[in-house]
Amino acid sequence: AQKITQTQPGMFVQEKEAVTLDCTYDTSDPSYGLFWYKQPSSGEMIFLIYQGSYDQQNATEGRYSLNFQKARKSANLVISASQLGDSAMYFCAMRELPYSSASKIIFGSGTRLSIRP
Amino acid sequence: EAGVTQFPSHSVIEKGQTVTLRCDPISGHDNLYWYRRVMGKEIKFLLHFVKESKQDESGMPNNRFLAERTGGTYSTLKVQPAELEDSGVYFCASSQDPYSGGTLVEQYFGPGTRLTVT
Repeated sequence: AQKITQTQPGMFVQEKEAVTLDCTYDTSDPSYGLFWYKQPSSGEMIFLIYQGSYDQQNATEGRYSLNFQKARKSANLVISASQLGDSAMYFCAMRELPYSSASKIIFGSGTRLSIRP
Repeated sequence: EAGVTQFPSHSVIEKGQTVTLRCDPISGHDNLYWYRRVMGKEIKFLLHFVKESKQDESGMPNNRFLAERTGGTYSTLKVQPAELEDSGVYFCASSQDPYSGGTLVEQYFGPGTRLTVT
Protein backbone atom coordinates (compact mmCIF):
# COMPACT_ATOMS: atom_id res chain seq x y z
CA ALA A 1 0.00 0.00 0.00
CA GLN A 2 1.12 3.52 -0.67
CA LYS A 3 2.12 5.64 2.30
CA ILE A 4 3.48 9.12 3.02
CA THR A 5 5.54 9.78 6.14
CA GLN A 6 6.29 13.19 7.61
CA THR A 7 8.39 12.77 10.74
CA GLN A 8 8.45 16.40 11.85
CA PRO A 9 5.19 17.32 13.59
CA GLY A 10 6.44 20.86 14.21
CA MET A 11 9.34 23.14 13.33
CA PHE A 12 10.47 26.61 14.35
CA VAL A 13 12.66 28.60 11.98
CA GLN A 14 14.05 32.11 12.09
CA GLU A 15 12.76 34.47 9.44
CA LYS A 16 14.92 34.63 6.28
CA GLU A 17 16.50 31.25 6.96
CA ALA A 18 16.00 28.30 4.64
CA VAL A 19 13.95 25.37 5.91
CA THR A 20 13.64 21.75 4.81
CA LEU A 21 10.49 19.78 5.49
CA ASP A 22 11.01 16.04 5.32
CA CYS A 23 8.85 13.60 3.44
CA THR A 24 9.35 9.96 2.60
CA TYR A 25 7.00 7.82 0.62
CA ASP A 26 6.40 4.21 -0.13
CA THR A 27 5.02 2.80 -3.34
CA SER A 28 5.70 -0.21 -5.46
CA ASP A 29 4.67 1.42 -8.71
CA PRO A 30 7.17 3.23 -10.96
CA SER A 31 4.68 5.93 -11.96
CA TYR A 32 3.45 8.42 -9.38
CA GLY A 33 3.26 12.10 -8.59
CA LEU A 34 4.37 13.88 -5.44
CA PHE A 35 2.88 17.11 -4.13
CA TRP A 36 3.24 19.61 -1.36
CA TYR A 37 0.28 21.58 -0.03
CA LYS A 38 0.22 24.47 2.41
CA GLN A 39 -2.63 24.96 4.85
CA PRO A 40 -2.57 28.35 6.57
CA SER A 41 -4.66 29.08 9.65
CA SER A 42 -7.54 30.12 7.41
CA GLY A 43 -7.92 26.46 6.49
CA GLU A 44 -7.70 26.31 2.71
CA MET A 45 -5.34 23.88 1.01
CA ILE A 46 -2.90 25.64 -1.30
CA PHE A 47 -1.00 23.66 -3.91
CA LEU A 48 2.71 24.51 -3.82
CA ILE A 49 4.72 22.19 -6.00
CA TYR A 50 4.62 18.95 -7.95
CA GLN A 51 7.20 16.31 -8.90
CA GLY A 52 6.56 13.47 -11.29
CA SER A 53 8.35 10.20 -10.74
CA TYR A 54 9.92 10.34 -14.19
CA ASP A 55 10.98 13.97 -13.99
CA GLN A 56 14.74 14.22 -14.34
CA GLN A 57 15.11 17.54 -12.57
CA ASN A 58 13.91 18.65 -9.17
CA ALA A 59 10.82 20.81 -9.32
CA THR A 60 11.09 24.47 -8.39
CA GLU A 61 8.40 27.13 -7.91
CA GLY A 62 9.69 30.47 -6.74
CA ARG A 63 11.04 30.04 -3.21
CA TYR A 64 9.91 26.41 -3.13
CA SER A 65 11.96 23.51 -4.40
CA LEU A 66 11.45 19.81 -4.07
CA ASN A 67 14.52 17.73 -3.28
CA PHE A 68 13.55 14.51 -5.01
CA GLN A 69 15.71 11.49 -4.22
CA LYS A 70 14.01 8.62 -5.95
CA ALA A 71 16.28 5.83 -4.74
CA ARG A 72 15.72 6.92 -1.14
CA LYS A 73 12.01 7.57 -1.77
CA SER A 74 12.22 11.03 -0.32
CA ALA A 75 10.62 14.27 -1.51
CA ASN A 76 11.69 17.01 0.86
CA LEU A 77 10.34 20.53 0.47
CA VAL A 78 12.88 23.32 0.70
CA ILE A 79 11.71 26.87 1.36
CA SER A 80 14.38 29.46 0.81
CA ALA A 81 14.44 32.79 2.63
CA SER A 82 11.49 31.99 4.86
CA GLN A 83 8.89 34.67 5.55
CA LEU A 84 6.41 35.16 8.37
CA GLY A 85 3.63 34.27 5.96
CA ASP A 86 5.13 30.82 5.52
CA SER A 87 3.85 29.84 8.97
CA ALA A 88 1.32 27.08 8.26
CA MET A 89 0.75 23.35 8.11
CA TYR A 90 2.52 21.65 5.22
CA PHE A 91 1.33 18.37 3.76
CA CYS A 92 3.30 16.04 1.55
CA ALA A 93 1.09 13.97 -0.71
CA MET A 94 1.19 11.38 -3.46
CA ARG A 95 -1.21 10.64 -6.21
CA GLU A 96 -2.19 7.04 -6.09
CA LEU A 97 -2.34 4.95 -9.23
CA PRO A 98 -3.61 4.73 -11.85
CA TYR A 99 -1.56 7.81 -12.56
CA SER A 100 -3.90 10.47 -13.79
CA SER A 101 -5.48 13.58 -12.49
CA ALA A 102 -8.55 11.50 -11.73
CA SER A 103 -6.96 9.41 -9.02
CA LYS A 104 -7.10 10.14 -5.32
CA ILE A 105 -4.36 11.79 -3.29
CA ILE A 106 -2.74 10.23 -0.23
CA PHE A 107 -1.52 12.69 2.40
CA GLY A 108 1.08 12.64 5.14
CA SER A 109 0.27 13.75 8.67
CA GLY A 110 1.67 17.22 8.11
CA THR A 111 4.36 19.47 9.58
CA ARG A 112 3.45 22.67 11.38
CA LEU A 113 6.01 25.32 10.44
CA SER A 114 6.34 28.42 12.57
CA ILE A 115 8.52 31.30 11.43
CA ARG A 116 10.03 33.48 14.18
CA PRO A 117 10.56 37.20 13.43
CA GLU B 1 -13.07 32.04 -12.23
CA ALA B 2 -14.53 30.92 -8.91
CA GLY B 3 -12.69 28.21 -7.03
CA VAL B 4 -14.12 25.26 -5.17
CA THR B 5 -16.62 26.45 -2.58
CA GLN B 6 -17.93 24.63 0.45
CA PHE B 7 -20.86 25.32 2.73
CA PRO B 8 -21.09 25.73 5.64
CA SER B 9 -17.65 26.77 6.77
CA HIS B 10 -18.41 25.58 10.29
CA SER B 11 -21.08 23.31 11.73
CA VAL B 12 -21.65 22.38 15.34
CA ILE B 13 -24.20 19.63 15.96
CA GLU B 14 -25.10 17.22 18.70
CA LYS B 15 -24.45 13.53 18.56
CA GLY B 16 -27.27 11.78 16.77
CA GLN B 17 -28.22 14.74 14.60
CA THR B 18 -27.90 14.97 10.84
CA VAL B 19 -25.62 17.31 8.94
CA THR B 20 -25.32 17.93 5.22
CA LEU B 21 -22.20 19.44 3.73
CA ARG B 22 -22.17 20.96 0.28
CA CYS B 23 -19.42 21.34 -2.28
CA ASP B 24 -19.53 23.33 -5.49
CA PRO B 25 -16.62 22.35 -7.75
CA ILE B 26 -14.98 24.55 -10.31
CA SER B 27 -17.26 24.86 -13.31
CA GLY B 28 -16.50 22.22 -15.91
CA HIS B 29 -14.63 19.90 -13.55
CA ASP B 30 -15.99 16.40 -13.92
CA ASN B 31 -13.95 14.97 -11.05
CA LEU B 32 -15.04 15.75 -7.51
CA TYR B 33 -13.44 14.37 -4.36
CA TRP B 34 -14.23 14.38 -0.67
CA TYR B 35 -11.51 14.16 1.94
CA ARG B 36 -11.53 14.65 5.68
CA ARG B 37 -9.04 15.32 8.42
CA VAL B 38 -9.92 14.07 11.84
CA MET B 39 -8.10 15.92 14.60
CA GLY B 40 -4.37 15.18 14.62
CA LYS B 41 -4.53 12.62 11.86
CA GLU B 42 -3.83 12.51 8.16
CA ILE B 43 -6.14 13.87 5.54
CA LYS B 44 -8.00 10.83 4.30
CA PHE B 45 -9.73 10.24 1.01
CA LEU B 46 -13.46 9.52 1.25
CA LEU B 47 -14.76 9.22 -2.28
CA HIS B 48 -14.48 10.33 -5.87
CA PHE B 49 -17.20 11.26 -8.34
CA VAL B 50 -16.82 11.40 -12.08
CA LYS B 51 -19.75 13.54 -13.10
CA GLU B 52 -22.68 12.03 -11.21
CA SER B 53 -21.18 8.55 -10.82
CA LYS B 54 -19.22 7.29 -7.83
CA GLN B 55 -15.87 6.23 -9.22
CA ASP B 56 -14.30 5.23 -5.92
CA GLU B 57 -15.96 5.22 -2.51
CA SER B 58 -13.41 3.04 -0.77
CA GLY B 59 -12.69 5.69 1.85
CA MET B 60 -16.22 6.10 3.16
CA PRO B 61 -16.01 5.08 6.82
CA ASN B 62 -19.46 3.54 7.23
CA ASN B 63 -23.05 3.68 6.07
CA ARG B 64 -23.78 6.76 8.15
CA PHE B 65 -22.13 8.73 5.36
CA LEU B 66 -23.99 9.33 2.12
CA ALA B 67 -22.60 11.34 -0.77
CA GLU B 68 -24.52 12.46 -3.82
CA ARG B 69 -23.80 14.47 -6.90
CA THR B 70 -27.06 14.90 -8.72
CA GLY B 71 -26.66 16.18 -12.25
CA GLY B 72 -22.90 16.05 -11.99
CA THR B 73 -22.60 19.56 -10.59
CA TYR B 74 -22.49 20.21 -6.85
CA SER B 75 -22.16 17.43 -4.32
CA THR B 76 -23.54 16.85 -0.85
CA LEU B 77 -22.16 14.72 1.94
CA LYS B 78 -24.69 13.76 4.58
CA VAL B 79 -23.78 12.33 7.96
CA GLN B 80 -26.70 10.63 9.69
CA PRO B 81 -26.62 10.12 12.61
CA ALA B 82 -23.46 12.02 13.51
CA GLU B 83 -21.08 10.56 16.07
CA LEU B 84 -18.35 12.24 18.11
CA GLU B 85 -15.60 10.69 15.99
CA ASP B 86 -16.99 12.38 12.88
CA SER B 87 -15.62 15.72 14.08
CA GLY B 88 -12.98 17.13 11.79
CA VAL B 89 -12.49 19.17 8.66
CA TYR B 90 -14.12 17.95 5.47
CA PHE B 91 -12.46 19.02 2.25
CA CYS B 92 -13.80 18.91 -1.25
CA ALA B 93 -11.57 19.04 -4.31
CA SER B 94 -12.18 19.04 -8.02
CA SER B 95 -10.14 18.43 -11.14
CA GLN B 96 -10.64 18.51 -14.84
CA ASP B 97 -10.67 15.42 -17.01
CA PRO B 98 -7.09 14.98 -18.26
CA TYR B 99 -8.42 13.92 -21.65
CA SER B 100 -10.28 17.19 -22.13
CA GLY B 101 -7.39 19.53 -21.54
CA GLY B 102 -6.96 19.16 -17.82
CA THR B 103 -3.56 19.15 -16.25
CA LEU B 104 -2.24 15.85 -14.98
CA VAL B 105 -1.23 17.54 -11.78
CA GLU B 106 -3.65 19.43 -9.70
CA GLN B 107 -6.74 18.87 -7.65
CA TYR B 108 -8.17 22.20 -6.53
CA PHE B 109 -9.26 22.18 -2.92
CA GLY B 110 -12.05 24.08 -1.26
CA PRO B 111 -11.65 25.84 2.09
CA GLY B 112 -13.16 22.94 4.01
CA THR B 113 -16.06 22.56 6.42
CA ARG B 114 -15.16 22.25 10.07
CA LEU B 115 -17.60 19.84 11.68
CA THR B 116 -17.87 19.59 15.43
CA VAL B 117 -20.06 16.91 16.97
CA THR B 118 -20.75 17.42 20.68
